[in-house]
Amino acid sequence: GAGVSQSPSNKVTEKGKDVELRCDPISGHTALYWYRQSLGQGLEFLIYFQGNSAPDKSGLPSDRFSAERTGGSVSTLTIQRTQQEDSAVYLCASSLAVGPKYTQYFGPGTRLTVL
Amino acid sequence: AQKVTQAQTEISVVEKEDVTLDCVYETRDTTYYLFWYKQPPSGELVFLIRRNSFDEQNEISGRYSWNFQKSTSSFNFTITASQVVDSAVYFCALSEGIQGAQKLVFGQGTRLTINP
Repeated sequence: GAGVSQSPSNKVTEKGKDVELRCDPISGHTALYWYRQSLGQGLEFLIYFQGNSAPDKSGLPSDRFSAERTGGSVSTLTIQRTQQEDSAVYLCASSLAVGPKYTQYFGPGTRLTVL
Repeated sequence: AQKVTQAQTEISVVEKEDVTLDCVYETRDTTYYLFWYKQPPSGELVFLIRRNSFDEQNEISGRYSWNFQKSTSSFNFTITASQVVDSAVYFCALSEGIQGAQKLVFGQGTRLTINP
């Protein structure tokens, strides 16, 4: 079946602008995760959603970052007033349920460049 | 706190050689899961294997094998008879506990280059 999809694949923006990144999880997967991959920090967890429960936002680096998940499916990661240090690849993953025994399957990522 | 260390930043070998990628982890939990992912040049993280902390059996899948040793907190990955298509960045990751934190903690990755 279809895997995790993300859009756009590339995004170039100017410092100070807001951006929205989209993730479509695998159908039937109730858990959805966002990670960030940057040269300096490697792969970092940002946030996860499980069903209708409150998301775990413990990895969000600042209050400029927010995410929502509508209808338990598609998720949008929003970065407000982007900074150059936000430049990274943003990866989305989904799993059948939340829990370490459930494998997370990743999308192709969105490469964000802040000029 | 959880931590995953992949000490080898880059490895370069000639095709058909065997190569082992090292992964050492730290955790205070007795229940945890270990993962290996492959990231080819296309950028997508591809799941390779999951192992739980109660199963120390080594696993073989074709040319790939994994050696899990709790005594040394290591989960090493060996590619036998490497091929150019194996060139990628490989990540080891850890997820703790039955409940609670669901995030994956990744190592810094090992860039593997297989030369023809």
